[in-house]
Amino acid sequence: EVQVLESGGGLVQPGGSLRLSCAASGFTFSSYAMSWVRQAPGQGLEWVSTISGNGYRTYYADSVKGRFTISRDNSRNTVYLQMNSLRAEDTAVYYCAKNSGDFDYWGQGTLVTVSS
Amino acid sequence: QSVLTQPPSASGTPGQRVTISCSGSSSNIGTNNVNWFLQLPGTAPKLLIYGTNLRPSGVPDRFSGSKSGSSASLAISGLQSEDEADYYCAARDDSLDGVVFGGGTKLTVL
Repeated sequence: EVQVLESGGGLVQPGGSLRLSCAASGFTFSSYAMSWVRQAPGQGLEWVSTISGNGYRTYYADSVKGRFTISRDNSRNTVYLQMNSLRAEDTAVYYCAKNSGDFDYWGQGTLVTVSS
Repeated sequence: QSVLTQPPSASGTPGQRVTISCSGSSSNIGTNNVNWFLQLPGTAPKLLIYGTNLRPSGVPDRFSGSKSGSSASLAISGLQSEDEADYYCAARDDSLDGVVFGGGTKLTVL
């Protein structure tokens, strides 16, 4: 059974940093791209970032480029999202999802709140 | 403002057929496959249609997807009360080198 589990969310001040983790199981982790998608309160879905299966290629939405970094550790079946220079508009539930575009498995999400 | 355009709301009665549109451009829907997601309140999104018209295992054949030019549609036949949810379309955008979503459509079963 495929499982995706995010962690690391919380309250952070504007300008601060946070690292999200996503532990996956039930599939050959290194064979699949992994992505982060976020949803601001009461809003729609927004793609944030994707990393290829081997970790060599990364992609970012313009809204987070230069501030967020996606990475993965295939030995731990885990993908990370390092978020720096956080802004109020980054407040959202962050979902980790398997694949790129055709996100077939999603975690339950972790809430990131950026506020002073 | 989302790159893909969906109507904010749609509605139908039980048993009816409803369609939800998703309009894009040549750099996204016009060139790439479309995926559709369903989100029930307070839960994570779920993949409903991938590759424009393919259903993952477990998704009823009441749900179908199609595409024409730079627009796509999700059709739901035999509408049921449990279909009441938010629906999102998504596609890769070659110009942005990433994935773009529609703003979502809230489906109400009357």
